[in-house]
Amino acid sequence: EVQLAESGGGLVQPGGSLRLSCAASGFAFNSYWMSWVRQAPGKGLEWVAIINQDGSVKYFVDSVKGRFTISRDNAENSLYLQMNSLRAEDTAVYYCTRDIHRTGDLWGQGTMVTVSS
Amino acid sequence: DVVMTQSPLSLPVTPGQPASISCTSTQSLVDSDGTTYLSWFHQRPGQPPRQLIYKVSYRDSGVPDRFSGSGSGTDFTLKISRVEAEDVGIYYCLQGRHWPRTFGQGTKVEIK
Repeated sequence: EVQLAESGGGLVQPGGSLRLSCAASGFAFNSYWMSWVRQAPGKGLEWVAIINQDGSVKYFVDSVKGRFTISRDNAENSLYLQMNSLRAEDTAVYYCTRDIHRTGDLWGQGTMVTVSS
Repeated sequence: DVVMTQSPLSLPVTPGQPASISCTSTQSLVDSDGTTYLSWFHQRPGQPPRQLIYKVSYRDSGVPDRFSGSGSGTDFTLKISRVEAEDVGIYYCLQGRHWPRTFGQGTKVEIK
């Protein structure tokens, strides 16, 4: 079955770090750009970061530049988001998405990140 | 950043009747190869978004043909020909032409 499954979310204090993972299955992971998109509680969607097939090209939204890093392991069919210096405004559900036609055609169920003391 | 503006933000609908959502961008979404990168998503409470339409008018696999997308340049529309009860939720447009990609605020569709 074609799917994405996120993990690694949880409660973290402001200034702390968290690493999210996304396990891909059922498709040729190394053929696709991949992204992270987040949604704060009760709010809209925000595209956070994107990475190309071999990891050589990465883009980040300004609000996370210098704090978040996106990476992938094609041998493990996995996507990662390393989040440092976390702030309250980073509290959100984080979705992993498969990218094609400059959009996300496949989404995981999401993992919740809560930044609070 | 490109700002995507949807209207209306709330849309009460009657089952069996048509519905329409507008999305406007502050910059053209046409790429140098002539492709326009505008997509539409539907999200139900507690669920991830599901893509309905990509590149303005291409329906994703499994999406009912009552959903259609149209538009060009900076003005786009999602139409539902005959609303069904399962169509309730929030609809978002997304531009993929410029980084960062940006979504509209969302349009909440509910049954009257």
